[in-house]
Amino acid sequence: EVQVVESGGGLVQPGGSLRLSCAVSGVSRFDFSNHYMDWVRQAPGRGLEWVGRTKNEANHYGSEYAASVEGRFTISRDASNYSLYLQMNSLKTEDTAIYYCARVGMSKAYYSFDYWGQGSLVTVS
Amino acid sequence: DIQMTQSPSSLSASVGDRVTITCRAGQSISTYLNWYQQKPGKPPKVLIYAASRLQSGVPSRFSGSASGTDFTLTISSLQPEDYATYYCQQSYRTPYTFGQGTKLEMK
Repeated sequence: EVQVVESGGGLVQPGGSLRLSCAVSGVSRFDFSNHYMDWVRQAPGRGLEWVGRTKNEANHYGSEYAASVEGRFTISRDASNYSLYLQMNSLKTEDTAIYYCARVGMSKAYYSFDYWGQGSLVTVS
Repeated sequence: DIQMTQSPSSLSASVGDRVTITCRAGQSISTYLNWYQQKPGKPPKVLIYAASRLQSGVPSRFSGSASGTDFTLTISSLQPEDYATYYCQQSYRTPYTFGQGTKLEMK
């Protein structure tokens, strides 16, 4: 069974930095490398917002970001550790949210988030 | 960005009821539409992908359909464990966008 576990959340002051980690288990090295991995956040009591992604090995682990975090957040992946990272710099109060790491499942050309972590709370205050 | 508009934002229903939630995309997204269920304190769980395909392990009382830019999630006979918030999400292109959510409450 695939498991996704985030860590690294906490309280940070505006303008500060924080790095979240996401560990994936229950998959092979090939499987981990073959899937896109995304970050999705949810502000307290609010809806879901896509943050960004790291693509798969075939796409050279390229990354994409939402406009709201472009230039401040960086997503990276370490395939040897089955891990994903979200480096957050220049944090703003509006970045306060639960951050979810999610695997992108692919069925033919259709993508969906098929495995999620429990989330890591980031509070910027 | 592709705007996703869900309705209603909240809904009261009883066990056994047939429930329908709709989602409208701001432009054509073909059938690149997913539905998620989220319970308090938990991450979302995918129910339907590609507008109408049931995710493995999801009860068959859940179904999805599409007509142009309008999408529907139907629960054929509401069960107690179905009280939750439901989100649609387009996977046509990034940035992926979600509907604002529909909170399904007990009547």
